[in-house]
Amino acid sequence: EIVLTQSPGTLSLSPGERATLSCRASQSVSSSYLAWYQQKPGQVPRLLIYGASSRATGIPDRFSGSGSGTDFTLTISRLEPEDFAVYYCQQYGSSLTFGGGTKVEIK
Amino acid sequence: EVQLVESGGGLVQPGGSLRLSCGDSGFSFSSYTMNWVRQAPGKGLEWVSSISSSTRYIYYADSVKGRFTISRDNAKNSLDLQMNSLRAEDTAVYYCARGGSGGTPVLYYFDYWGQGTVVTVSS
Repeated sequence: EIVLTQSPGTLSLSPGERATLSCRASQSVSSSYLAWYQQKPGQVPRLLIYGASSRATGIPDRFSGSGSGTDFTLTISRLEPEDFAVYYCQQYGSSLTFGGGTKVEIK
Repeated sequence: EVQLVESGGGLVQPGGSLRLSCGDSGFSFSSYTMNWVRQAPGKGLEWVSSISSSTRYIYYADSVKGRFTISRDNAKNSLDLQMNSLRAEDTAVYYCARGGSGGTPVLYYFDYWGQGTVVTVSS
């Protein structure tokens, strides 16, 4: 099973700042089958990125994904108030696993 | 608009059974892989099970294999999860989620999620 480790566990930033979230896989993720989700308290997860770097429908371009192999990154270029949430990565290249999440909180 | 609605959650004793259902509207249900994902209170997301559009391919997480059974009825646009031998650690919100279609892998990303149904396993 591919284990996904997300870091940091919590990221404290101010609106307007840049957020960089990491997702590291225990083995190479084939075909860059890596997705990112956003979940706000009491809400359903929302797909942000799939295929490591493709934005899902309706996702603002301040969200971008990059990486391949075992190292992947989600970048939020300028944090908006609605971006403070928990972010999960998910690999679907070998079975299916989620990372433990990164909470982006207001500093 | 795609809409997924789960039902069937509730309180059940350890060792008991529960059947969850998920209905849809707004897309061609029979063309898509469907999935169950759960989230324990205050915890992260955990994939539970996936079923291909034709029901030919079915996958389970090790944590539920042998206890849970996923099924679908494309004529009724419905997805089910039969959960037996329930344990305290199965307590979670269970989400129905849409996967891929048209030849994509069965194990894929999830682009639409239902609101979830709460399962509590406790005596």
